[in-house]
Amino acid sequence: KQEVTQIPAALSVPEGENLVLNCSFTDSAIYNLQWFRQDPGKGLTSLLLIQSSQREQTSGRLNASLDKSSGRSTLYIAASQPGDSATYLCAVRRGILTGGGNKLTFGTGTQLKVEL
Amino acid sequence: NAGVTQTPKFRVLKTGQSMTLLCAQDMNHEYMYWYRQDPGMGLRLIHYSVGEGTTAKGEVPDGYNVSRLKKQNFLLGLESAAPSQTSVYFCASRPWELEKLFFGSGTQLSVL
Repeated sequence: KQEVTQIPAALSVPEGENLVLNCSFTDSAIYNLQWFRQDPGKGLTSLLLIQSSQREQTSGRLNASLDKSSGRSTLYIAASQPGDSATYLCAVRRGILTGGGNKLTFGTGTQLKVEL
Repeated sequence: NAGVTQTPKFRVLKTGQSMTLLCAQDMNHEYMYWYRQDPGMGLRLIHYSVGEGTTAKGEVPDGYNVSRLKKQNFLLGLESAAPSQTSVYFCASRPWELEKLFFGSGTQLSVL
């Protein structure tokens, strides 16, 4: 059974700092990995999606990397801002040939606070 | 463009009562999903649909039923609510050719 872990559960950093959020998964037979952002009382917003054949994806100040063999992904946020404060979740989709179908397995998230 | 809309946003039920959560999307997406989010457990898939008239079980389907009579709507039903179903429920959708999920803003359900 796929398990997804995100450590730390919470993180507080000063504005302007570069930071890395971690995501690890137990089954490397994945189809893709997605990073989401969740604001309090809101739904999830997809930030970046990395296919299993890719090593990284970039969008603005965000960069996500994937090391499938070691079961790890990182989300790098450059020059953090107070508006980046939110919970960040990663989710993996198992390979279609391994019966993953349409199911995502989510981590429990890292709650980020960027302070002025 | 409204995206994915969930109704209601909040609901309190007594044990044994029934209710239906509605998810509507205006993006003509084929795939629709119902998740529940509980503290410390991440999001878990309840049921999903790959097209109008189809439904399939997810990770935690017991106690829930779903229907997708129209492509734009995905209904989640609780026939006899239990306190263990207290949770935040999220609906999501995506087109068949794109992996990116679009989420609604959630329904906070409390079962007393």
